[in-house]
Amino acid sequence: AQSVTQLDSHVSVSEGTPVLLRCNYSSSYSPSLFWYVQHPNKGLQLLLKYTSAATLVKGINGFEAEFKKSETSFHLTKPSAHMSDAAEYFCVVSDRGRNAGNMLTFGGGTRLMVKP
Amino acid sequence: NAGVTQTPKFRVLKTGQSMTLLCAQDMNHEYMYWYRQDPGMGLRLIHYSVGEGTTAKGEVPDGYNVSRLKKQNFLLGLESAAPSQTSVYFCASRLTGVTEAFFGQGTRLTVV
Repeated sequence: AQSVTQLDSHVSVSEGTPVLLRCNYSSSYSPSLFWYVQHPNKGLQLLLKYTSAATLVKGINGFEAEFKKSETSFHLTKPSAHMSDAAEYFCVVSDRGRNAGNMLTFGGGTRLMVKP
Repeated sequence: NAGVTQTPKFRVLKTGQSMTLLCAQDMNHEYMYWYRQDPGMGLRLIHYSVGEGTTAKGEVPDGYNVSRLKKQNFLLGLESAAPSQTSVYFCASRLTGVTEAFFGQGTRLTVV
């Protein structure tokens, strides 16, 4: 079984300050992990992905995430927030393995607000 | 390259009416998914398919049916719409069970 918990439903930062969006997962197999972003009334865009290569993953728009197996975490970070980063962010887990089921499970989402 | 295309983009139904949402992908992906998005609940999986002719239930399948007669298309049906099915529906596809998913732009459905 797989599940994802995004620890904060809302995060507010000032422009130019660091961003941290927290994600913990549960997986019966070795997981693939993803972060997606959704701007208002838009579809979902992939920010970055972890699929068993390097544990520190770099994505688009300056975002990165670190896979920590011991902590079952995949937190998303960015050194300096921009106004255009204001959006909803989803952490997603997918079990890998022969009997994994191939489902993609979403966290509840974190709404990021960026203040000028 | 269109990617994942959902039809229609908006629809208003009366309670008890039926409709079919179409998802089409042109990337030769094996896996396809239907999700619904409701405020504060993230995206919840309705049904999914791991290849042509296969379907499986997700987290919230009740009231929905699906078919995958052609590899590129995944249809979501509502036989008798209810107000609780008012939501935004997203289709996604991916090449394998490991790779990232690509999403359509969504269908906003209102049942009155």
